Amino acid sequence: GESVGLHLPTLSVQEGDNSIINCAYSNSASDYFIWYKQESGKGPQFIIDIRSNMDKRQGQRVTVLLNKTVKHLSLQIAATQPGDSAVYFCAESPGGATNKLIFGTGTLLAVQP
Amino acid sequence: NAGVTQTPKFQVLKTGQSMTLQCAQDMNHEYMSWYRQDPGMGLRLIHYSVGAGITDQGEVPNGYNVSRSTTEDFPLRLLSAAPSQTSVYFCASSYSWPGSGNTIYFGEGSWLTVV
Repeated sequence: GESVGLHLPTLSVQEGDNSIINCAYSNSASDYFIWYKQESGKGPQFIIDIRSNMDKRQGQRVTVLLNKTVKHLSLQIAATQPGDSAVYFCAESPGGATNKLIFGTGTLLAVQP
Repeated sequence: NAGVTQTPKFQVLKTGQSMTLQCAQDMNHEYMSWYRQDPGMGLRLIHYSVGAGITDQGEVPNGYNVSRSTTEDFPLRLLSAAPSQTSVYFCASSYSWPGSGNTIYFGEGSWLTVV
């Protein structure tokens, strides 16, 4: 798991700043999107999701924005903390009765104390 | 509540050997799946199951077999290991199929090296 980060784009932020992680998705028919957090050596963990009939959804310290026009998804983390350091990736469901998700490659978030 | 449990955590195999990665969940989830994660690539679906006795192929099924004899267990078998199967493997489960908004729970991963 640790080697995945060596090939990923990295976002470096100061503790307390807000972070914005971006994701471009591929399928204009996708109707459901999820953000995951993956800490080093661990499995992905669900953060927040959004359906295509919404353009914004908020959770605790996190907000997901969806722009269907340009097929873009972003994850905003408020007051970033050292514990937020991880790889973040998005996933899309291509729509219809599908059993599959398409995962992005991820962004490494490095929080500097 | 253990969630999704995978074993082993680490394994080194020789080319041509076979082995089984075990996966168990205690959440009574119908949907289970196996993914592999390689550097610079997103998670790729190997096989999945929508319930006991039902399995189907994902994006990269070649070289792998699965079975689902119970709701709880979903083992992944490598028939004849190849270096290209060196990867991190994740088992996942959810109440129903992923596009329906059901949260997917992942195991901790199994690091497999084929030499």
